[in-house]
Amino acid sequence: SQQGEEDPQALSIQEGENATMNCSYKTSINNLQWYRQNSGRGLVHLILIRSNEREKHSGRLRVTLDTSKKSSSLLITASRAADTASYFCAIMEYGNKLVFGAGTILRVKS
Amino acid sequence: DTEVTQTPKHLVMGMTNKKSLKCEQHMGHRAMYWYKQKAKKPPELMFVYSYEKLSINESVPSRFSPECPNSSLLNLHLHALQPEDSALYLCASSQAGRANEKLFFGSGTQLSVL
Repeated sequence: SQQGEEDPQALSIQEGENATMNCSYKTSINNLQWYRQNSGRGLVHLILIRSNEREKHSGRLRVTLDTSKKSSSLLITASRAADTASYFCAIMEYGNKLVFGAGTILRVKS
Repeated sequence: DTEVTQTPKHLVMGMTNKKSLKCEQHMGHRAMYWYKQKAKKPPELMFVYSYEKLSINESVPSRFSPECPNSSLLNLHLHALQPEDSALYLCASSQAGRANEKLFFGSGTQLSVL
């Protein structure tokens, strides 16, 4: 199975700035999900976008999906120190296997 | 209750030991998952149970043996592990194992094999 590739690998911004993370993948997908992980513990689901959707919002999160380019982006607006975490895109492959990308480490400085 | 509970939180074992990791959820979910995560790497899928039946085994070595005694419980039995098996083991659940579902994760068991 294939993983999503994310960039950047690490991102450091000031509180209040926006953070953008990108995810690319190789095959057809059913949906794409984003998860957050604090300090190497459990993952928390952030948002799910289906393959027939182009954009989705949840609070300060905005996710886009471009199936023609096989890419997605996660935008976090007005970042806070509490947003410091690792962010993973996860691709739901056909067969219902959720496969995670390499992740982006976000650090928000206060 | 939207929690997935994993025990123990930390485990140290020798290569000849037998131990088990436990996972429990009371959300009525019918799909449960084991993932393995090495430091600074993404989680890797190991096993999926759907309606208490093993539906996906990602070619995991037989020293890892999953068990799903009922819809709320998931175990991972460990035997004759190697030091390279040291990792964070994450359990997750979802409503029915269908495609457009989100996964709920436990906080993991940090395993060290000496």
